[in-house]
Amino acid sequence: DIQMTQSPSSLSASVGDRVTITCRASQGISNSLAWYQQKPGKAPKLLLYAASRLESGVPSRFSGSGSGTDYTLTISSLQPEDFATYYCQHYYSTPLTFGGGTKVEIK
Amino acid sequence: QVQLQESGPGLVKPSQTLSLTCTVSSGSIISSDYYWSWIRQHPGLGLEWIGYIYYSGSTYYSPSLKSRVTISVDTSKNQFSLKLSSVTAADTAVYYCVRWRRYYGLDVWGQGTTVTVSS
Repeated sequence: DIQMTQSPSSLSASVGDRVTITCRASQGISNSLAWYQQKPGKAPKLLLYAASRLESGVPSRFSGSGSGTDYTLTISSLQPEDFATYYCQHYYSTPLTFGGGTKVEIK
Repeated sequence: QVQLQESGPGLVKPSQTLSLTCTVSSGSIISSDYYWSWIRQHPGLGLEWIGYIYYSGSTYYSPSLKSRVTISVDTSKNQFSLKLSSVTAADTAVYYCVRWRRYYGLDVWGQGTTVTVSS
């Protein structure tokens, strides 16, 4: 199985801050990576796929980058509705696996 | 816009079989573009992929659950189902049915259903 390691596990930030979350795969995944946002009591929501492609309807302040084993989710200017938990997930092979999550909290 | 809705008992006794159904609406389950998946989330923890089924009936299960999991599809009802046998308290979780669009990620999620294993 491919292991996904996400960091940090949590962070505190203010509205307007630039936030970066990283995800490392235990082997190369050829950009087969998605990012999700989950709010309490809700299902996760797909934000980006193929490492850097924005899902329809997702604000452009979200962006993704990376290659090989290392990937990054960036929120360029944090908004109040962005406080949530974020997960990376690979779909390079089965079984699909997720990172442990990053909780973004209000400073 | 395709929607997914889980249904099934919220309480299951230890050693019994957990059974959930996902109904797909506003779209057909018969599509070569999608894999129909189950994912669970233990209380306060991360996401665990259980497995998927293709409309043709082919399946793949997570190795960690393979011995206890069965996923089936009923194309006439536009539904797919999960059975997890010999449950314990460790199977208490929110269970999501999810559409996996190959090369795009998990793009449509059900709202999730909480299943508690307790006597």
